[in-house]
Amino acid sequence: NAGVTQTPKFQVLKTGQSMTLQCAQDMNHNSMYWYRQDPGMGLRLIYYSASEGTTDKGEVPNGYNVSRLNKREFSLRLESAAPSQTSVYFCASSVQGRGGSPLHFGNGTRLTVT
Amino acid sequence: QQQVKQSPQSLIVQKGGISIINCAYENTAFDYFPWYQQFPGKGPALLIAIRPDVSEKKEGRFTISFNKSAKQFSLHIMDSQPGDSATYFCAALPGAGSYQLTFGKGTKLSVIP
Repeated sequence: NAGVTQTPKFQVLKTGQSMTLQCAQDMNHNSMYWYRQDPGMGLRLIYYSASEGTTDKGEVPNGYNVSRLNKREFSLRLESAAPSQTSVYFCASSVQGRGGSPLHFGNGTRLTVT
Repeated sequence: QQQVKQSPQSLIVQKGGISIINCAYENTAFDYFPWYQQFPGKGPALLIAIRPDVSEKKEGRFTISFNKSAKQFSLHIMDSQPGDSATYFCAALPGAGSYQLTFGKGTKLSVIP
């Protein structure tokens, strides 16, 4: 049982390049999330998908787009990467987001934008 | 901006001692307060959570104390062990209809032998 799988684990981009971060969960969870983690900043929500077919902005959505491809997969796209997007990106899932269900996190994608 | 303020930023505790991490919040609509534990190179994992209808919740060596009137909650780790060395995040969820968990900035705990 893999849980939440993120690919790639590491990525280096040049300013202006684009890329998609992939996330898949095998727990049949309804809700999925993308967070970014920066030193001293905690985890900040970028986008979330309450259920298949829906997506909503979180705290820091600018510069990102998401796609809930199906119940298992939720991708995050950077159309034109900027150095400010250097961060560790975590995907998470939960049975349901409302009311407080435990978040299950992947092990992250470490992105550097030069 | 809804905030959860976490302190201290870092903490060094001797093996066998008590580790205490504090969080304070402003929004009285928060009604779910989890703590997450993160080891280097890994994603966070839920450690323990509490709702405001109770003042304390204990799971093994980990206890959450909750003070609704002061809008504060804390994590106590009893008999701290080197294996507890990790970064701990408190968080809060504003209401049953929300999906947006707000995290504190984290506390790096080091337990020394």
